[in-house]
Amino acid sequence: DIVMTQSPDSLAVSLGERATINCNSSQNILYSSNNMNYLAWYQQKPGQAPEVLIYWASTRESGVPDRFSGSGSGTDFTLTISSLQAEDVAVYYCQQYYSSPYTFGQGTKLEIK
Amino acid sequence: EVQLVESGGGLVKPGGSLRLSCVVSGLTFSNVWMTWVRQGPGKGLEWVGHIKNKNDAGTTDYGAPMKGRFTISRDDSINTLYLQINSLKTEDTAVYYCATVKTHSVRVFDYWGQGTLVIVSS
Repeated sequence: DIVMTQSPDSLAVSLGERATINCNSSQNILYSSNNMNYLAWYQQKPGQAPEVLIYWASTRESGVPDRFSGSGSGTDFTLTISSLQAEDVAVYYCQQYYSSPYTFGQGTKLEIK
Repeated sequence: EVQLVESGGGLVKPGGSLRLSCVVSGLTFSNVWMTWVRQGPGKGLEWVGHIKNKNDAGTTDYGAPMKGRFTISRDDSINTLYLQINSLKTEDTAVYYCATVKTHSVRVFDYWGQGTLVIVSS
């Protein structure tokens, strides 16, 4: 199984500042035939179901604010929130869909400083 | 508006069985792959498995801890997804979410239900 490891486990950022969350996969999740990274990011607010933010490592899901961006390739990926808003308090998960089982990172809890 | 509504959770004794349901509206259910994801208390997300649509043979796939005890099925005539869990263990205690799979090549989960809580305890 591909193991997804996120860092840090928790993060406190001031409103308006940048938040950065990292995700590492134990295997390369870049598919050479289409040059796509099979990596998604989800946001889970307290008491709610997760919502997909980004897939293909950097493609924003429809309706997701452009302050959310994804980058990286191969085994190392980053989710960046350019200017933290109060409504961004949540746990963020990365997920690989390169191969079954489709594994998630352990989550990163983002709070306001 | 796409809606997914799970039901069937509750308190079950170890060794017991449970069938969870997920009714989907707002999209053509028969066209989509469906998945179950669970979340233990205070824990992260764990993929349970998925079921493909009939055009893709309707086959299923499961995470390793689920193989043998979990069965995903669907009834396209009533837009309903199921998860049968047998020989329940205390570690199966979790919120179980159903979700749609975006496409067969983009296996991310784009619409989610609110979840149904399963507690396995004597």
